[in-house]
Amino acid sequence: EIVLTQSPGTVSLSPGETATLSCRTSQSLTNTYLAWHQHKPGQAPRLLIYGASTRAAGIPDRFSGSGSGTVLTLTISRLEPDDSAVYYCQQYGRSSWTFGQGTKVEL
Amino acid sequence: QVQVVESGGDVVEPGGSLRLSCTASGFTAGFNFSDYYMSWVRQAPGKGLEWISYVSSSGSTVHNADSLKGRFTISRDNARDSVILQMNSLRVEDTAMYYCVGGYPPEWWGQGTLVTVSS
Repeated sequence: EIVLTQSPGTVSLSPGETATLSCRTSQSLTNTYLAWHQHKPGQAPRLLIYGASTRAAGIPDRFSGSGSGTVLTLTISRLEPDDSAVYYCQQYGRSSWTFGQGTKVEL
Repeated sequence: QVQVVESGGDVVEPGGSLRLSCTASGFTAGFNFSDYYMSWVRQAPGKGLEWISYVSSSGSTVHNADSLKGRFTISRDNARDSVILQMNSLRVEDTAMYYCVGGYPPEWWGQGTLVTVSS
């Protein structure tokens, strides 16, 4: 099973700033089958990024994914109050999918 | 816009069984339910997301999280546009919101159905 480790656990920033979230994998991800999801309390999670760097439909370009191998990054530029949420990375490239433990972004 | 709807959540005693259902609709013209992977994810109170299981578009391939030790089984009925999660030998620690997710990558999330395991 591939283990995903996210850091930091929580990040507190101000509107307009940039958030940089990290996801480290225990094994290199072939074909970068790595997604990022946003989850707000009381709501369904939402897919932001797939294939490590491709934005899902309707996702603003303030959200960007990068990286390969064992270190993947989600960058949120020009933070807005509505970006407060927990962000999860997920790998879906092996027979057993897994999530990271999440990073909470506070504004 | 694809809509995913779960049902079947309930309060059940430890050792009991429960069957969750999920339907999906609203696919782009030319595509239908049988074209897409479906999966289940849960979130226990105060915890993060945990992947449970997925089934391929045809239903020929399924995978489950090792931690479930074979207690949960996923299946799909493409004639009814539905996916089922059969949960047996339920434990208190299975208490969670259960989400159905459509697509590969997993893209369309339902609102979830709550399962409470308690005596």
